[in-house]
Amino acid sequence: EDQVTQSPEALRLQEGESSSLNCSYTVSGLRGLFWYRQDPGKGPEFLFTLYSAGEEKEKERLKATLTKKESFLHITAPKPEDSATYLCAVRPFGNEKLTFGTGTRLTIIP
Amino acid sequence: DVKVTQSSRYLVKRTGEKVFLECVQDMDHENMFWYRQDPGLGLRLIYFSYDVKMKEKGDIPEGYSVSREKKERFSLILESASTNQTSMYLCASSGTTLTQYFGPGTRLLVL
Repeated sequence: EDQVTQSPEALRLQEGESSSLNCSYTVSGLRGLFWYRQDPGKGPEFLFTLYSAGEEKEKERLKATLTKKESFLHITAPKPEDSATYLCAVRPFGNEKLTFGTGTRLTIIP
Repeated sequence: DVKVTQSSRYLVKRTGEKVFLECVQDMDHENMFWYRQDPGLGLRLIYFSYDVKMKEKGDIPEGYSVSREKKERFSLILESASTNQTSMYLCASSGTTLTQYFGPGTRLLVL
């Protein structure tokens, strides 16, 4: 059974204080790993797809990396508007279904 | 831009009522999904559809049914709403890329 574990559950950072969020996964053949951002009361917003170990993708202050067992979402010099819950999900080969982690709730304090 | 819309943002229903949640996507996507999201449990897949009139059970289909009569529209039906179906319901769609795009969600309260 595919599993995704995200840590920490919650993270509070000062504005400008860089950090990383972790997504550990077990999957029967990774087709893709996805990162989403979710604001309170809204649907998840797509950020990145990673397909193979060693791949990296960047968007503004966010960079996602992937190994064979985990993915990291690095946030550099965050701003208060980066506060949100960040969700990780995996999709195996031969299957349309995503398995989601429970997310990391990130709070950036001005 | 991919757009997924859901018929209601907030809904309040009584126990035993039949509830319809509708989702429409405008990107000609083949695949559509219904999830529910609860604190501490994350997103859980209820049903998905990979073509018109086709459906597959997800991880928690009990108490729900779905309908996909047109490619752009996917409906979730609660045949007889119960209090344990109070939740945030999220619709998503995907096409030839792997990425699922989500709607804004419907927060359902069953009293």
